[in-house]
Amino acid sequence: GAVVSQHPSRVICKSGTSVKIECRSLDFQATTMFWYRQFPKQSLMLMATSNEGSKATYEQGVEKDKFLINHASLTLSTLTVTSAHPEDSSFYICSAREIMSGELFFGEGSRLTVL
Amino acid sequence: GQQLNQSPQSMFIQEGEDVSMNCTSSSIFNTWLWYKQDPGEGPVLLIALYKAGELTSNGRLTAQFGITRKDSFLNISASIPSDVGIYFCAGNINSGNTPLVFGKGTRLSVIA
Repeated sequence: GAVVSQHPSRVICKSGTSVKIECRSLDFQATTMFWYRQFPKQSLMLMATSNEGSKATYEQGVEKDKFLINHASLTLSTLTVTSAHPEDSSFYICSAREIMSGELFFGEGSRLTVL
Repeated sequence: GQQLNQSPQSMFIQEGEDVSMNCTSSSIFNTWLWYKQDPGEGPVLLIALYKAGELTSNGRLTAQFGITRKDSFLNISASIPSDVGIYFCAGNINSGNTPLVFGKGTRLSVIA
């Protein structure tokens, strides 16, 4: 089946630094990718919808200037956590919708730990 | 925003027992999906349901899309230790390019 790859899978950073997480669709094209955040023992919460070639749509309560999303190609979306703080520590998961079938595929997730 | 009510929150069962979990919504959904998530990994799709009343099986797993389109259940028969994990229901209210709404998950523990 289609594969969505996230990189890095784990990252530890100091407070105040910025971290970039990549989401790639390896064998299909996706005009739309979704970014979710999952805190321990909680469900996936949608952060934003990433649209290729246009601005991302952010969910209420998600700061667009803090969580920068770039979807520059049909196979890559990036999420940059700027000036990260310990409360940003979480599991970030992307999903990509295949253009042809409309089917949704999830990445393996990226665990961010901010010290 | 839309919410899915998933229950139970957690379950402890003996190996070999059957398991049932369900999700309900206040809104009509066009699609119901069931995912399993292992620790430190992304969710993996188990079963997708697209029509009201649809009953679909995937090995020991069976799921149904409720007639009212506001609920769905997932059954696991003859549970085994590798069934341990968190199961999430998810759904789409609209067709097209809308994101999934997730339930809060059911944490399943299987005692050998």
